[in-house]
Amino acid sequence: RKEVEQDPGPFNVPEGATVAFNCTYSNSASQSFFWYRQDCRKEPKLLMSVYSSGNEDGRFTAQLNRASQYISLLIRDSKLSDSATYLCVVNAYNFNKFYFGSGTKLNVKP
Amino acid sequence: GAVVSQHPSWVICKSGTSVKIECRSLDFQATTMFWYRQFPKQSLMLMATSNEGSKATYEQGVEKDKFLINHASLTLSTLTVTSAHPEDSSFYICSALAGGRTGELFFGEGSRLTVL
Repeated sequence: RKEVEQDPGPFNVPEGATVAFNCTYSNSASQSFFWYRQDCRKEPKLLMSVYSSGNEDGRFTAQLNRASQYISLLIRDSKLSDSATYLCVVNAYNFNKFYFGSGTKLNVKP
Repeated sequence: GAVVSQHPSWVICKSGTSVKIECRSLDFQATTMFWYRQFPKQSLMLMATSNEGSKATYEQGVEKDKFLINHASLTLSTLTVTSAHPEDSSFYICSALAGGRTGELFFGEGSRLTVL
């Protein structure tokens, strides 16, 4: 079983739509959780950390569900510029071990 | 925010040659750096964890004699692909973990290697 699993998509949505991604992790001792965004042929860039209480940054909302071992990312009012691959990253075992999901591709269409 | 610089961005080399990629943390000291490889339409694959002043820890299936990692200072880690072959062509990305931060990774811009 993979440490971190994501639906690869693609999610094809119209501008203005609300879209949500989930990511499940296998290790209950995981400590830190992140969503990264990766554009085609570019390096990943941190979108937001995911806190236990949930957090929001503009149109983006991240949630953590420790009981069910998943994190989610909600994007409201999708923009064309949101088109990218969204990577779920989990820090497990110890501070130096990060696990990446395979990424969920989002295509926002006019 | 923290900046990690990777060089070169693009490299094309002949089969059998060696290629060195540098990863520098520009405004913080990185005790730990990570090297990844990413093939088209696939996720990042961790190759090795590089710790300053000690030997790198390689993931299963990654040949340590082929992918030489050196982390001689707190701001620089290098990956050398030795005797490169066409199947080594890939996007190589480094990331750095800043001491004191709660697990946030900062990525280099990546290096696209093409072996002819």
